[in-house]
Amino acid sequence: KNEVEQSPQNLTAQEGEFITINCSYSVGISALHWLQQHPGGGIVSLFMLSSGKKKHGRLIATINIQEKHSSLHITASHPRDSAVYICAVKGRSDGGATNKLIFGTGTLLAVQP
Amino acid sequence: EAGVVQSPRYKIIEKKQPVAFWCNPISGHNTLYWYLQNLGQGPELLIRYENEEAVDDSQLPKDRFSAERLKGVDSTLKIQPAELGDSAVYLCASSLDLGTSVAGELFFGEGSRLTVL
Repeated sequence: KNEVEQSPQNLTAQEGEFITINCSYSVGISALHWLQQHPGGGIVSLFMLSSGKKKHGRLIATINIQEKHSSLHITASHPRDSAVYICAVKGRSDGGATNKLIFGTGTLLAVQP
Repeated sequence: EAGVVQSPRYKIIEKKQPVAFWCNPISGHNTLYWYLQNLGQGPELLIRYENEEAVDDSQLPKDRFSAERLKGVDSTLKIQPAELGDSAVYLCASSLDLGTSVAGELFFGEGSRLTVL
């Protein structure tokens, strides 16, 4: 079992739909990152979370530390949102953050016009 | 401010040739990562630096791969000799991590796409 699991692996949505991508992890963390990668493109950091909720434009990210779960929401989805969304956690040992990144397998999102 | 800068963006070489990639992280970032990404897959860590110290190189194939981060700023990743299976995108990322409890936001470079013929 992977330490970081994302669901769904693939998601197809119609333009305008509300989208949710989930990330569950089994390790202690100091932070969780949501990343975006367009086909053939570089990786862009969308959010870094250690608690609560963050919002940027049409994107919202939440994290529940007790449940070891995070969600990325996209409101009013658009074809340009089509990309791979990756959840990555920074591990945390008893001695503190390890700065080791553990990546989820990614969610391939396709938003159709 | 410039983001993480990598060069070259693209490199095509024949197998058994050497190749080197360069990364200039965001100014002041103490943590630097080199990742390998194959098509359709997530990044795989090759090496992680905290300042000039390689703190995690367990996934680096040391028989052909080497890396350095002199003075804790720029970093180079070298492959010698390259093999067909090394064709991939090599990503550099950096972050400013304050002590052991505060993790910094992660910034990725555009990547260096290597094709080995």
